[in-house]
Amino acid sequence: AQSVSQHNHHVILSEAASLELGCNYSYGGTVNLFWYVQYPGQHLQLLLKYFSGDPLVKGIKGFEAEFIKSKFSFNLRKPSVQWSDTAEYFCAVNNRGTYKYIFGTGTRLKVLA
Amino acid sequence: ETGVTQTPRHLVMGMTNKKSLKCEQHLGHNAMYWYKQSAKKPLELMFVYNFKEQTENNSVPSRFSPECPNSSHLFLHLHTLQPEDSALYLCASSGRTSGQNPDTQYFGPGTRLTVL
Repeated sequence: AQSVSQHNHHVILSEAASLELGCNYSYGGTVNLFWYVQYPGQHLQLLLKYFSGDPLVKGIKGFEAEFIKSKFSFNLRKPSVQWSDTAEYFCAVNNRGTYKYIFGTGTRLKVLA
Repeated sequence: ETGVTQTPRHLVMGMTNKKSLKCEQHLGHNAMYWYKQSAKKPLELMFVYNFKEQTENNSVPSRFSPECPNSSHLFLHLHTLQPEDSALYLCASSGRTSGQNPDTQYFGPGTRLTVL
């Protein structure tokens, strides 16, 4: 069955530390890839997405992610985190051409001031 | 405000009650989705509607009954639920890319459901 794995469930970092959150998926077909973020008390919102083209995509607030097709991965990175990045981060995969989306379990990031 | 609203925000119901969750999107999207979010589990896609037609039903028990009267409104009718159905129910909507594929999903705030 299709799945999305986020290996880090809880991450605690100090401000200015670098961040990398892992995301791996299992699906052999063509996919669209997403990272969503949920700040405390707020809706899930899009951080960045990859549909095609340059596998390194940039999103809001200095986040970026790299699609490595051979590794079925779409890891999220940020060179220097801020306290305001404290949130839960979700990786999601969509089978292109369908309305089927699979989400990971999420990673709770806490950034210490 | 994301353009997707959900009511009620909180709901407590007994196992014999019948209630409905409502979702409305103001984004002109064609597709609407229901998800279930439980603690320590991935978001589970329940139902998808595209232009009012159901395109996905993810083996959801019949005690959950969706209704999509038009592209802007989506309901989830609940009856004879179980305590394990307690969760956050999220609604989302999406438009289409130039290639007519589903685009980014926009989520509502969710309804926190507690079944006693």
